[in-house]
Amino acid sequence: AQSVTQLDSHVSVSEGTPVLLRCNYSSSYSPSLFWYVQHPNKGLQLLLKYTSAATLVKGINGFEAEFKKSETSFHLTKPSAHMSDAAEYFCVVSDPMNTGFQKLVFGTGTRLLVSP
Amino acid sequence: DSGVTQTPKHLITATGQRVTLRCSPRSGDLSVYWYQQSLDQGLQFLIQYYNGEERAKGNILERFSAQQFPDLHSELNLSSLELGDSALYFCASSVEGQRGNEQFFGPGTRLTVL
Repeated sequence: AQSVTQLDSHVSVSEGTPVLLRCNYSSSYSPSLFWYVQHPNKGLQLLLKYTSAATLVKGINGFEAEFKKSETSFHLTKPSAHMSDAAEYFCVVSDPMNTGFQKLVFGTGTRLLVSP
Repeated sequence: DSGVTQTPKHLITATGQRVTLRCSPRSGDLSVYWYQQSLDQGLQFLIQYYNGEERAKGNILERFSAQQFPDLHSELNLSSLELGDSALYFCASSVEGQRGNEQFFGPGTRLTVL
């Protein structure tokens, strides 16, 4: 089965500084990977996805992630944090089932705190 | 706004009761997924429907059941509720269900069992 590990439960940055949220995956083949964001009392929004095309994936709101097969990593970055980025971030891997369909397997989440 | 709607937003009920959560997928999406988010278990896949048929089960309790109707909306039924069922329940939809298809999530239903 596929799995992801988010290495930090909390990350604190100052507004205007870079953001790095770390994720390692475990997969027996080339995975599909996603980053979702959850703002307080809101649903989950897709930030970006990797599906074996370009290894550097650009998402919404200035976020990007790089797929590194040799390191089994898919870290999320942003050059300059904004107060509105404060939220919970989930690294997600698709896990195909024997039906041919996929389910999403979520990491435990990283809470990003942004201070003025 | 993802285009996925869920009702109700909040639900407060007592142990032993039964509730129904409703989800309407994005227009054109055939697959519906249900997830549970709790403090101790995190986000877990419960069940998937595709065009009216159950296609996959995850960590769904026997007390829980779901269905997808001809108009593609889905309902998740939770019965004999226990305190530990208190959680945020998300519905997601995708065009199909194959690998790489992103899933679009609704705002969730927060269930509180007292």
